[in-house]
Amino acid sequence: DGGITQSPKYLFRKEGQNVTLSCEQNLNHDAMYWYRQDPGQGLRLIYYSQIVNDFQKGDIAEGYSVSREKKESFPLTVTSAQKNPTAFYLCASSRGGQEARNQPQHFGDGTRLSIL
Amino acid sequence: GENVEQHPSTLSVQEGDSAVIKCTYSDSASNYFPWYKQELGKRPQLIIDIRSNVGEKKDQRIAVTLNKTAKHFSLHITETQPEDSAVYFCAASDTGTASKLTFGTGTRLQVTL
Repeated sequence: DGGITQSPKYLFRKEGQNVTLSCEQNLNHDAMYWYRQDPGQGLRLIYYSQIVNDFQKGDIAEGYSVSREKKESFPLTVTSAQKNPTAFYLCASSRGGQEARNQPQHFGDGTRLSIL
Repeated sequence: GENVEQHPSTLSVQEGDSAVIKCTYSDSASNYFPWYKQELGKRPQLIIDIRSNVGEKKDQRIAVTLNKTAKHFSLHITETQPEDSAVYFCAASDTGTASKLTFGTGTRLQVTL
C-alpha cells in the first residue's frame, strides 16, 4: 500500500552496532506492527503498538526496541543484542480503537537487513 | 496463544487448473482469517479475508471457506494463471488483542504453462 513507507530498502549492520529501521504511514491508522520474515518461517511479530505512546512485545522481541511518539511513525531499532539480525523486516498498520478487531493489516515494502 | 499450520508448503499446478491451500488454527475463539499474497521481494498484499459469521466468501477466481467446528479454513484459486505464482500466507486473529494476527508458514504456488 502506498500509505506505508519503509526505509531504507537495504541496510547493513556491523558487529556491535545498533541500526534503526523507519516506518511511516499516512493512513491515519492507530495500530502499527513490526514483523520479521525468514525463509520458510512466515511472518513473526516483533512488536506492536495499538496507540501512540504505547507498545507491546510480540513473539520475538528480544534484541529489538521500538518507540511510538507519533501516530504516523513506528521506528524499530535492531540492537547489538540481536545476534542473528539478517532478515526481511516488514512494517504494517491497521485501524484501531473499537474497530481494531478483525481489521486487515496493510504492509510496507520492507527493509532487508544484512550483517557485514 | 494462537497457532496456525499451513499446507502444503509448495504447490505446483498447470495453468487453468485449481489450487487449494489449507490452514488450521488452534484457538476456537479466533474470528478473523485473512489471506495474503507475496511476490518475490515484495510486500504481502491482502487478497481476501473472512470473518467467523460466514462460511464462504468469493471474489472472482478466489474463494475462502471456513469450518469453525473443525478449526480450518482454505483458499481456493480457480483457473490459475502464471501471475498467480507467489507465496500465499494465511493468518488468524488473536482473540486477546485487537488486530494481532498469527501467520502460517506460507505456501509457494507455482503455475506452469
